[in-house]
This record gives sequence, C-alpha cells and structure tokens, in this order.
Amino acid sequence: ILNVEQSPQSLHVQEGDSTNFTCSFPSSNFYALHWYRWETAKSPEALFVMTLNGDEKKKGRISATLNTKEGYSYLYIKGSQPEDSATYLCAPVGNSNYQLIWGAGTKLIIKP
Amino acid sequence: GAVVSQHPSWVICKSGTSVKIECRSLDFQATTMFWYRQFPKQSLMLMATSNEGSKATYEQGVEKDKFLINHASLTLSTLTVTSAHPEDSSFYICTSFSGTYGYTFGSGTRLTVV
Repeated sequence: ILNVEQSPQSLHVQEGDSTNFTCSFPSSNFYALHWYRWETAKSPEALFVMTLNGDEKKKGRISATLNTKEGYSYLYIKGSQPEDSATYLCAPVGNSNYQLIWGAGTKLIIKP
Repeated sequence: GAVVSQHPSWVICKSGTSVKIECRSLDFQATTMFWYRQFPKQSLMLMATSNEGSKATYEQGVEKDKFLINHASLTLSTLTVTSAHPEDSSFYICTSFSGTYGYTFGSGTRLTVV
C-alpha cells in the first residue's frame, strides 16, 4: 500500500497570483499518478494522468510535473481565479488492480 | 463523457436502520467499481472493490457483513450500510473503472446516522 502525502493541507491565494502544491509518494512500485480537482457537491474531475518520469502536462492555466525516482509531483496554477477554488487530490496507482491510493488533498481558496 | 450517477447525495437515518447507496453508470459498462469512504480531513479510503457478477473484495478492517456490496450488472453497483451506527457517519463515494473511460466518479453520498 502506498503512503501518499499532499502539502499544504490548505492554501489561501490572492486572485491573480500563481501557486503550487506537492504530492509525495513512495517511489517504489509506481505505475501512474492521477490528479483530480474536487469541488464541493460535485464529482471529482480528472485533471491529469501521468506515468513517465519527467512528464509534464498542461491544461489551460494548470500544469503538473512528475518525478518518479524521488516520488513527487507538483501541481501549478498560474494566475489563480476564483473558479480554481477546490480541493486538489493526487492518487498514485501502485499495482495492477487499478486501485487509486489517495492523498488527503490540498484545499485551495482563491481570495478575490 | 462517462457519467456515474450516485444516489442519494445525502441521507440521515436512525441508528440501527440500513441505508442503500446506488451507483449507476450511464451509457457505459462499469466492469469494476471501487467504494471509498472519507472521514473529515482525511483521505478517501478504499473500502472494497467489486467486479460485475462476483463477490466484492474488502479491504482490511472493513466488515463485509456490515457494508454489503452488490454488483449484479455492468451498470449498477450498490453499497448497503446495515444496522448503521453514528460512527458510520461519513462520506461515501463510488468510482467505476472501465477500459474505455478509465475512472469515473459518482458525486458522493453524505451519510449521517443519528
């Protein structure tokens, strides 16, 4: 079972500022890493699936990097907007049973 | 895209009663369904994995007689919390996995047992 840590737990960011947060996981038995964006009362929304060391993915103002050797991924948000307020979850997949092992999430609050 | 409809979104029940939570995959077949539970300020914790037509595989510490999971068809999986107690109050969410769509989440169920 993978042990996943996300930091910080919560983050207040001024609208327009850029921000980033971290997902750490054991580097052994790595298969893939998922990032999700979860707004209250909605289903989690898939952002990225990353598999390769050094991978970098981008979706609009949001991007993510992956380091499988040292066991971390960063999520970056450029020019934060109020609609970015959500909890961002990472979930490594560590075996062939397709089980997502979740971090506790980073709750992002954008202040107008 | 794929959608999983989860109902109810919230439920309050009396201690000792049972509650059924349904997850339906709309317009696609969910081969596998994962059921998660989340306590406040904690991670989503996997409770069990179910595959259509077979018995669910429960994670260590999850009572299979208390949390009954049925995956009778490729479009419906249910979780029944039997004889619910206040400590079962939690957020429950299902996630389907299919080869075509990958992971698709339900919207979750907030259970409060009083």
